[in-house]
Amino acid sequence: GESVGLHLPTLSVQEGDNSIINCAYSNSASDYFIWYKQESGKGPQFIIDIRSNMDKRQGQRVTVLLNKTVKHLSLQIAATQPGDSAVYFCAENPIGGTSYGKLTFGQGTILTVHP
Amino acid sequence: GAGVSQSPSNKVTEKGKDVELRCDPISGHTALYWYRQSLGQGLEFLIYFQGNSAPDKSGLPSDRFSAERTGGSVSTLTIQRTQQEDSAVYLCASSQGTDTQYFGPGTRLTVL
Repeated sequence: GESVGLHLPTLSVQEGDNSIINCAYSNSASDYFIWYKQESGKGPQFIIDIRSNMDKRQGQRVTVLLNKTVKHLSLQIAATQPGDSAVYFCAENPIGGTSYGKLTFGQGTILTVHP
Repeated sequence: GAGVSQSPSNKVTEKGKDVELRCDPISGHTALYWYRQSLGQGLEFLIYFQGNSAPDKSGLPSDRFSAERTGGSVSTLTIQRTQQEDSAVYLCASSQGTDTQYFGPGTRLTVL
């Protein structure tokens, strides 16, 4: 079946560095993508999303890039802080059809920020 | 306003017992979702409600799992005759239509 996957399971950075977390997806029907942050013992927290008619979207310290040609999604975190340490998941949501609302998650990337 | 809430936060049960997990979605959200997260794994879709109806039950792992939603609000996920492989964190999310899904803190289920 089609799935969403992450290239790197772990990422360690120094405080203040920029972080890049990558994700590959294979469902060409997906047109909505989301990044979630999950801290230990908590539910996933929405970070940023992007629709397939966009290549880039910026939030506060975060940027999501979407390359539909190679089915690749990335999350960039600027000036990474220790509080950014968490597991980051990408998810795809095929809008419409029988899979409506059914998010497919990647396995997650563990981001560790060292002071 | 208040986010998605789930109860209990932790549940320890014996193999073979039935358990009920509760989800209170964000007020006004029409869609509600249940996911399961096993240790160190990503999230696995279980079931989705639009209003009180569940058009997609494809993720339920077996007929021991069922879910209902009443009044377009609270939902309960029931697992009958629990097995050790049911041990996981069960997460609930809600959304307004096709908008972003917001997650609750989850219920950690341990089956001994």
